[in-house]
Amino acid sequence: DGGITQSPKYLFRKEGQNVTLSCEQNLNHDAMYWYRQDPGQGLRLIYYSQIVNDFQKGDIAEGYSVSREKKESFPLTVTSAQKNPTAFYLCASSIAGGDNEQFFGPGTRLTVL
Amino acid sequence: RKEVEQDPGPFNVPEGATVAFNCTYSNSASQSFFWYRQDCRKEPKLLMSVYSSGNEDGRFTAQLNRASQYISLLIRDSKLSDSATYLCVATHGSSYKLIFGSGTRLLVRP
Repeated sequence: DGGITQSPKYLFRKEGQNVTLSCEQNLNHDAMYWYRQDPGQGLRLIYYSQIVNDFQKGDIAEGYSVSREKKESFPLTVTSAQKNPTAFYLCASSIAGGDNEQFFGPGTRLTVL
Repeated sequence: RKEVEQDPGPFNVPEGATVAFNCTYSNSASQSFFWYRQDCRKEPKLLMSVYSSGNEDGRFTAQLNRASQYISLLIRDSKLSDSATYLCVATHGSSYKLIFGSGTRLLVRP
């Protein structure tokens, strides 16, 4: 079955620690995205990548970093510089960016203790 | 002003009711529009794309009014399983970016 997987589902982190969230897709999509969702709010774009070895900042990139070494994988690192990291993180992918619909993974719920 | 605005609800309706959600977008250059459904603590899932001519999928009908920058979703014969948050989505102008509204919550009661 084709789809997007994210791991772990739940993640707890101490303040001051970096943590990496995994996102893998086997849909052969070129574009991948990371969003953050806070309670009662819409999704906000953190980073996106339209092709391997290239990525751009979204609206709230500060305190986050990404890499895109393989088409299938787009990991997100939440660094200690992110001041309020507790949130629901969603990875998505789509055909070649643009106006195509995006398909989401199941999400990672990060809690900073 | 938010780029995509929705009434947060909740809309509390009985089974079998017809319910309509509205959404406005501020960027007149937005090209594509979607409705996503999100269940509690789950990822959003595409419900339907929205076309200028309007489109229907079973009990769901979506309409787009570019002149008024307004999108709607009509759900007929509501089911308990329709209870969820419905997200209105527009592209940011002609770019890759999708702008999500904060969502409208629907509760369908027996």
